[in-house]
Amino acid sequence: EAGVAQSPRYKIIEKRQSVAFWCNPISGHATLYWYQQILGQGPKLLIQFQNNGVVDDSQLPKDRFSAERLKGVDSTLKIQPAKLEDSAVYLCASSLGVRGYNEQFFGPGTRLTVL
Amino acid sequence: AQTVTQSQPEMSVQEAETVTLSCTYDTSESNYYLFWYKQPPSRQMILVIRQEAYKQQNATENRFSVNFQKAAKSFSLKISDSQLGDTAMYFCAFMRVGNKLVFGAGTILRVKS
Repeated sequence: EAGVAQSPRYKIIEKRQSVAFWCNPISGHATLYWYQQILGQGPKLLIQFQNNGVVDDSQLPKDRFSAERLKGVDSTLKIQPAKLEDSAVYLCASSLGVRGYNEQFFGPGTRLTVL
Repeated sequence: AQTVTQSQPEMSVQEAETVTLSCTYDTSESNYYLFWYKQPPSRQMILVIRQEAYKQQNATENRFSVNFQKAAKSFSLKISDSQLGDTAMYFCAFMRVGNKLVFGAGTILRVKS
């Protein structure tokens, strides 16, 4: 069974530029999550999708971050314009659903460096 | 709001010995799940062990076991017979309603030969 795929693995940009990350979840997983992991900290949930609808985006900085999952499968996370403090690893995870306990499976992450 | 605290930023252990990583959490919920994740330098987050709060019996997975103290809101991870491949960042996490994970800041574990 293929795991969660993410691309790119690394990205370096200048501040005020825009960047996009892509995630393809495990086949059949209805729920998709984007986390931000700043160096030295644990991952923090940015947004959670159930199929193509947003379940929770309360911690997403909506003035510069956006995310979509148009067909309920893969997802993109965009930052525009980027700030220095956006330097972090962006992790994507997926699970079968949200009711009860559903193990989350994580991708390898994208390391973003903003200069 | 739920919080997870890992008070040990770094730990070291000799190969084949036992080490315990600490975690405390705060919640008003009565039923929840707790997890330990391992994140090696490759960044791939791997589930090590999970504990359901309504189960009093401590979870065990091979060399990994937990000491779950619900009243004290404590959830420590014990790694027995430590191996070089156990070197990684370890995160304690709490799962709240809606399948949402809240992570601690992590503990770097170094296993020395």
